[in-house]
Amino acid sequence: SAVISQKPSRDICQRGTSLTIQCQVDSQVTMMFWYRQQPGQSLTLIATANQGSEATYESGFVIDKFPISRPNLTFSTLTVSNMSPEDSSIYLCSVGPQGAPVYFGAGTRLSVL
Amino acid sequence: SQELEQSPQSLIVQEGKNLTINCTSSKTLYGLYWYKQKYGEGLIFLMMLQKGGEEKSHEKITAKLDEKKQQSSLHITASQPSHAGIYLCGADRAGNQFYFGTGTSLTVIP
Repeated sequence: SAVISQKPSRDICQRGTSLTIQCQVDSQVTMMFWYRQQPGQSLTLIATANQGSEATYESGFVIDKFPISRPNLTFSTLTVSNMSPEDSSIYLCSVGPQGAPVYFGAGTRLSVL
Repeated sequence: SQELEQSPQSLIVQEGKNLTINCTSSKTLYGLYWYKQKYGEGLIFLMMLQKGGEEKSHEKITAKLDEKKQQSSLHITASQPSHAGIYLCGADRAGNQFYFGTGTSLTVIP
């Protein structure tokens, strides 16, 4: 199993600013996943972050808007840049064996005014 | 179109009642995962099914994967308020694509 510490747990931000979300895992993992969950919706994969290489972004998500860092095998950050109210969501990081998301952080609830 | 359809979308049951949530795919699944999400929190992994016909149980929650590996059901026996939350199925298919279901919101009335 893996335990993920994600912070901040929630934030309220002004339009046009950026927020960086951090995830710390208690064990070394190859792949980390970043998800977005819009109100009342299921999870949508933003990107997959591998240590030592560029993150792989899903259709509809770009690096300029959601830059990701993966400096080592236990840590990753996701930045939501130049925020607008449409970015208000829950953001979740996840890890898991064999490339499937099994363990999740508690989530970051973001509200953009 | 949704890759994984869950039904029902929401469910309200009286405490002590049994309930079933379904997760259906139009394509064969390589692995089927069930999660529970409390309001505003991360997802908690419940169980994973891989083989056609497989069934797993954890406390009062039982999940089954059909023989064709295209449908799974999650059954809760004698529901309790602690079972309330959003249940999500997730699955990986060919090409290492992982999808989440549309979600089922469960309310248990004491």
